[in-house]
Amino acid sequence: ETGVTQSPTHLIKTRGQQVTLRCSSQSGHNTVSWYQQALGQGPQFIFQYYREEENGRGNFPPRFSGLQFPNYSSELNVNALELDDSALYLCASSSGQGYTGELFFGEGSRLTVL
Amino acid sequence: TQLLEQSPQFLSIQEGENLTVYCNSSSVFSSLQWYRQEPGEGPVLLVTVVTGGEVKKLKRLTFQFGDARKDSSLHITAAQPGDTGLYLCAVPHRGKSTFGDGTTLTVKP
Repeated sequence: ETGVTQSPTHLIKTRGQQVTLRCSSQSGHNTVSWYQQALGQGPQFIFQYYREEENGRGNFPPRFSGLQFPNYSSELNVNALELDDSALYLCASSSGQGYTGELFFGEGSRLTVL
Repeated sequence: TQLLEQSPQFLSIQEGENLTVYCNSSSVFSSLQWYRQEPGEGPVLLVTVVTGGEVKKLKRLTFQFGDARKDSSLHITAAQPGDTGLYLCAVPHRGKSTFGDGTTLTVKP
């Protein structure tokens, strides 16, 4: 069984640039959720994708956008990067079953905005 | 206002000591989860508690859900260096979980 994989693991961008982060979900999981984890904080929910449609969004501006593909992999795009976007971006997949279904996280993509 | 307040924020202890960390809220939850996140890794689910007063044990870790389902605690007996990490509590909601800011635990050999 293949776990959740994310790429790239680390990247550095400058303010105003755009970034795309990628996630392959765990085998058999059709739901992908993205989280932002700033230094010293817990993960904050950005949005979720289920069967290629956005299925809920946290308190993040529209310059945070995403996609889910037919194989359930996903992308997170952030436009017009700001310094405060520096964080660990975590992708989590789940089976979409049940209220308390376990989230399976990848190792994250650490973004630094200069 | 943070939905979930975790305390202490940081904890550094010697190997073999016992410890308890807390997750508190003014809201009532139908369930609560604990995750552990090691440096350079994503969080990994430890336990889900769903019933008020519920106690679950996972080896040396004991999890309790408050009777009123507003708070939870995690007790570690005889901590080991491998227990080092960030302990997060979370309210699950079909993959759209709300996390606390965690307790960073360091266990020194």
